[in-house]
Amino acid sequence: GAVVSQHPSRVICKSGTSVKIECRSLDFQATTMFWYRQFPKQSLMLMATSNEGSKATYEQGVEKDKFLINHASLTLSTLTVTSAHPEDSSFYICSGGGSYTDTQYFGPGTRLTVL
Amino acid sequence: RKEVEQDPGPFNVPEGATVAFNCTYSNSASQSFFWYRQDCRKEPKLLMSVYSSGNEDGRFTAQLNRASQYISLLIRDSKLSDSATYLCVVKAGGTSYGKLTFGQGTILTVHP
Repeated sequence: GAVVSQHPSRVICKSGTSVKIECRSLDFQATTMFWYRQFPKQSLMLMATSNEGSKATYEQGVEKDKFLINHASLTLSTLTVTSAHPEDSSFYICSGGGSYTDTQYFGPGTRLTVL
Repeated sequence: RKEVEQDPGPFNVPEGATVAFNCTYSNSASQSFFWYRQDCRKEPKLLMSVYSSGNEDGRFTAQLNRASQYISLLIRDSKLSDSATYLCVVKAGGTSYGKLTFGQGTILTVHP
């Protein structure tokens, strides 16, 4: 299957700082990537859909000014959590799908802890 | 009503048991259906797609009933390594890059 990487895998930061998470498709081009968030004991919730070369589409309740998404190329999307607070602590996962498949492939996730 | 509903379990079964998971979805326009498996603190991994004709992959059998908007997963001869959370996932109709909606997951623990 296709490979998606995320960096960093884990980050601990102080409240008020900004954190950037990178999502890369390593062996396919992803016109669209998705960003999810998963709180403990809950399922994945879609935050936004990231389209290469255009603005991201955010789900209801997700603040676009707080969660900045950039999809500058067909292999890279970034999510920046601005002015992070402890309630932003979560598991952030990206996914992408290649043109040859109906399946989405997930990155390994980034565990964010805001102190 | 949640878009995708699953029995959260947990299911605790002995090795060798057969276990079945159920899932219902609310959007009749949904076009693609999947079961994903998620291990603790890891990303979800595709287990299998689900088709109306039913499909089998080794010990795993998935079924889709579009009329009832119901999806199932059957695991036969459970192994210890099957312990995980099983996610029922539905993709909206439209392009091949449609939004995925996840159920809350069903926790399975297989014990010796």
